[in-house]
Amino acid sequence: DGGITQSPKYLFRKEGQNVTLSCEQNLNHDAMYWYRQDPGQGLRLIYYSQIVNDFQKGDIAEGYSVSREKKESFPLTVTSAQKNPTAFYLCASSSGTGALRAINEQFFGPGTRLTVL
Amino acid sequence: SQQGEEDPQALSIQEGENATMNCSYKTSINNLQWYRQNSGRGLVHLILIRSNEREKHSGRLRVTLDTSKKSSSLLITASRAADTASYFCATGLSGYSTLTFGKGTMLLVSP
Repeated sequence: DGGITQSPKYLFRKEGQNVTLSCEQNLNHDAMYWYRQDPGQGLRLIYYSQIVNDFQKGDIAEGYSVSREKKESFPLTVTSAQKNPTAFYLCASSSGTGALRAINEQFFGPGTRLTVL
Repeated sequence: SQQGEEDPQALSIQEGENATMNCSYKTSINNLQWYRQNSGRGLVHLILIRSNEREKHSGRLRVTLDTSKKSSSLLITASRAADTASYFCATGLSGYSTLTFGKGTMLLVSP
């Protein structure tokens, strides 16, 4: 049963703590992405990775860090430097680029809702 | 900056009616994608239309793309209560491995 999973579904953090959100996929996709979604807003790209051991900053990378040690896994750490981390976090994967080297469809996980207490 | 922008922000219709959502974007694209998100869930890909295509169908979905006007529309025919969700457009550029998402249209279909 192929798919992309995220854990935990809900996460509570005290101010000043780092937390790590898990994202795993068994779709054999090369590319993986992390997005942040605030209420009534679209998705904003935090980090993305096109290949193992390589990743790039997105539009709102400050206060976040990632690693890509395995093809299947792309964990996101929300550090204490992120001033307003309460949000819904979505992980996605893609087989990469297709026709005209434009990105193919993305497959999303169910999301993690992070709340800072 | 956000590439795609959906219109309207919210849409309320009765079951059986058609729902039309629009997306405008600013720069040339290679493809445009539509996604659906149920409340509190991840996004689900609906349809991808390439810049050299003008119209695409998938079941009750019809997507059009007008590159001269830099706009796209998503039509859901004979809507059902289960179509209630937020719908997002996302644009892909040649040579880029990322998508840029709009803020979405929230669709409410009442029985």
